[in-house]
Amino acid sequence: AQRVTQPEKLLSVFKGAPVELKCNYSYSGSPELFWYVQYSRQRLQLLLRHISRESIKGFTADLNKGETSFHLKKPFAQEEDSAMYYCALSTSGTYKYIFGTGTRLKVLA
Amino acid sequence: NAGVTQTPKFQVLKTGQSMTLQCAQDMNHEYMSWYRQDPGMGLRLIHYSVGAGITDQGEVPNGYNVSRSTTEDFPLRLLSAAPSQTSVYFCASSLGSPGNTIYFGEGSWLTVV
Repeated sequence: AQRVTQPEKLLSVFKGAPVELKCNYSYSGSPELFWYVQYSRQRLQLLLRHISRESIKGFTADLNKGETSFHLKKPFAQEEDSAMYYCALSTSGTYKYIFGTGTRLKVLA
Repeated sequence: NAGVTQTPKFQVLKTGQSMTLQCAQDMNHEYMSWYRQDPGMGLRLIHYSVGAGITDQGEVPNGYNVSRSTTEDFPLRLLSAAPSQTSVYFCASSLGSPGNTIYFGEGSWLTVV
């Protein structure tokens, strides 16, 4: 069965420290992977997708098919990065998007 | 474009009552879906639709009905509300190809007492 695992419910880091939010997936096909972010009192929105291979707000994520991971990284965390982050998997042919349980990132001053 | 619009934003129901959460999108998206968001559970798919007249069950469909009579609208019906359905509900839409970006509504906070 398809699954997305985010092992950390809460991640606290100090401003300026590196951040890595972990995401592992289980899917036998070719995955489409995303990171969505929910800032306080805002709707969920796309942060980045693996197919774009771009950096958004300083965040990057690399798909590692060998380790079935799609970790989100940022070298220097900012206070405005504090939010809830969801990793999501889109499975080919089914139109379903499977979300992880989310990681709350708190960036401390 | 308004994007994805959900109503109501807040609702309190008594156990056994029924209600409909409305969802509309103006982006001509084929794919629409409903999720519920619970602490520690993340987002769980309730129902989804890949086009008008086509719906399918997600991970947690029990207690909910949907229909898709138009491309724009995708209402979620709670048939007989239960306290376990207290949650935040999100409607979402995307273009009708797997792997496209999902656009979310602002959420509907539902409390069943």
